Amino acid sequence: ETVMTQSPATLSVSPGERATLSCRASQSVSSNLAWYQQKPGQAPRLLIYGASTRATGIPARFSGSGSGTEFTLTISSLQSEDFAVYYCQQYDNWPRAFGQGTKVEIK
Amino acid sequence: QITLKESGPTLVKPTQTLTVTCTFSGFSLTTNGVGVGWIRQPPGKALEWLAFIYWDDEKHYSPSLESRLTITNDTSKNQVVLTMTNMDPVDTGTYFCAHSNLYDIVTGYGNYFDYWGQGTLVTVSS
Repeated sequence: ETVMTQSPATLSVSPGERATLSCRASQSVSSNLAWYQQKPGQAPRLLIYGASTRATGIPARFSGSGSGTEFTLTISSLQSEDFAVYYCQQYDNWPRAFGQGTKVEIK
Repeated sequence: QITLKESGPTLVKPTQTLTVTCTFSGFSLTTNGVGVGWIRQPPGKALEWLAFIYWDDEKHYSPSLESRLTITNDTSKNQVVLTMTNMDPVDTGTYFCAHSNLYDIVTGYGNYFDYWGQGTLVTVSS
């Protein structure tokens, strides 16, 4: 099984600043890595797939990078609506796995 | 337009069997490449992947829960059903279903979850 580890658990950022979230896989998942955003009381929303491809309608301030075992989600200039929990998920092998999440909070 | 909606009991007793249903529209689970997965989330905790079914009835389960899970597809009703036996209070949480497609026009390989249901909260308590 592939274990996904996200860091940090909580990220305190001021609006307008850059946020950098990390996700590590316990074995290579190639570029088969997705990022999701989840706000309280809502279902997750797909942000990034293929490690770096933005999903439909996702603003350009969200970008993903990495391959193999190390991945990064960058939010270039945080907007008020971006404060949420972010999850990575590998879909390279079975069973699929999510990371434990990074909460992006207002500093 | 793809939509999914989960339904099921809000309260189950320990040792009972949970049955949650995902009713979808905007796609068919007979189409090559299409799949539906189940994911759950205990209150205040992370997402946990549970099970997945493909258009060709290929199925995958979380190894830690495999003995308790069954995922089935009713193509005539556009529904995917997940049953979980021997429910315990630690199984309390929101259960989501989500759409996936094996093929992606940009990357060639899909299988991420692009559409999600709103989730259904299940509480396990006597």
